[in-house]
This record gives sequence, C-alpha cells and structure tokens, in this order.
Amino acid sequence: EAGVAQSPRYKIIEKRQSVAFWCNPISGHATLYWYQQILGQGPKLLIQFQNNGVVDDSQLPKDRFSAERLKGVDSTLKIQPAKLEDSAVYLCASSRPGAGYGYTFGSGTRLTVV
Amino acid sequence: DAKTTQPPSMDCAEGRAANLPCNHSTISGNEYVYWYRQIHSQGPQYIIHGLKNNETNEMASLIITEDRKSSTLILPHATLRDTAVYYCIGAGGTSYGKLTFGQGTILTVHP
Repeated sequence: EAGVAQSPRYKIIEKRQSVAFWCNPISGHATLYWYQQILGQGPKLLIQFQNNGVVDDSQLPKDRFSAERLKGVDSTLKIQPAKLEDSAVYLCASSRPGAGYGYTFGSGTRLTVV
Repeated sequence: DAKTTQPPSMDCAEGRAANLPCNHSTISGNEYVYWYRQIHSQGPQYIIHGLKNNETNEMASLIITEDRKSSTLILPHATLRDTAVYYCIGAGGTSYGKLTFGQGTILTVHP
C-alpha cells in the first residue's frame, strides 16, 4: 500500500511569516495525527483527527497553530506567525481507529525558522 | 498513557541479538505495549505491539513479563541498518490509540 505522503520535505522561513504543511494519509485510515519533533527529542503529539473531527488538540498552540482535515482525508497544518522555537520536523501519521493498530508515519517536513 | 523507562543507549555487535528492555510498571490492563524505531532523518517506523502474550513478526520479537510491568524487544540478528532510536510506548484503552513518545534508546550496531 502507498505510504503517508507529506509535502514539502523542507521549508525555511523567517520568523513571523506563515507556513503550511500538507499530509495525505493511507487510504482507508480514519485516524490522522500531527506530531512535532524538536531535534534530540521524541515526537510530541499536536493534534489527532478521527475522520474530519478533532479527537485531541490539547497540546496544539492554538494562538499560532491550526489544522484541518477536510472530507476526512487530506490534512493541512498551519503556523502563523512562526517563531524561532517552531523549528522542528513536523510528522504526519495515520492509522485505523482505536487501540491495537500501529501508526504509519510520513517522512516529515523539516521546518527551519530564521 | 503509561510512563515507560528505557536505557538511553545500547550497543550491539552485528549478527548478534539485540535485546532492548523497557519498564512500564504503571501500564493499565487495557494498554498495549508498542515499539517503534526511528532511523536518522526518517519518520518513526512501527515494529511490533502486544497486550499480554509474546509476539513475533518478520522484524522482531516482543517478550512481555507476566505481570506486564516490563518488556523486551528482541532483534534476533542485528545489522548495521538496525542502528536507530527505539521507542517503547504504552498506549491504548481510553487514550483512543494516542502514542506518547519518550526519549527512547539509541541502539548502535557495530561491525
């Protein structure tokens, strides 16, 4: 099966600019996740969707981050305005709903804010 | 989600078995033990998961103690390509499948 697709692969922006990341999950996977991974740390969950509804966004900095998943398939994550500390890899993952299923991760988008 | 404890780093000789331990003493009865690994510059890769019984697939074996307070991931014949960060995660039950990653174990396989 095709994997989780993410774009762009790399992005460099200046602080206070905006940026958007795109994710296309595996076909049929109802659950979609966005993770942030800062260098040297494990991935941190930002938001979890079940179909097009938000299940958990407790760790999403909502003053600057937003995410949507229209029609329960593709998803976009936006940062506006970006800060230096947002420099990280943004990973998208998808899975079947519920416990007991593994995630499939995309290769991520490496964001550098200068 | 259950808190897990892993050694920060381990070494293994190529061709030998790599045994990666994980403590998860606070795991609840309906939480699974998941193992993922992350090779440099790639997204995490699912390896294996289990609830109570030992599990084996083409990548690895997972041994879970009877009291479920700890587990061991076994890579039977480690290769240089197995060098990665390995994450042990307890999740499931009411967390709706959400995975919370810790720092993991950096496994280095030597020639």
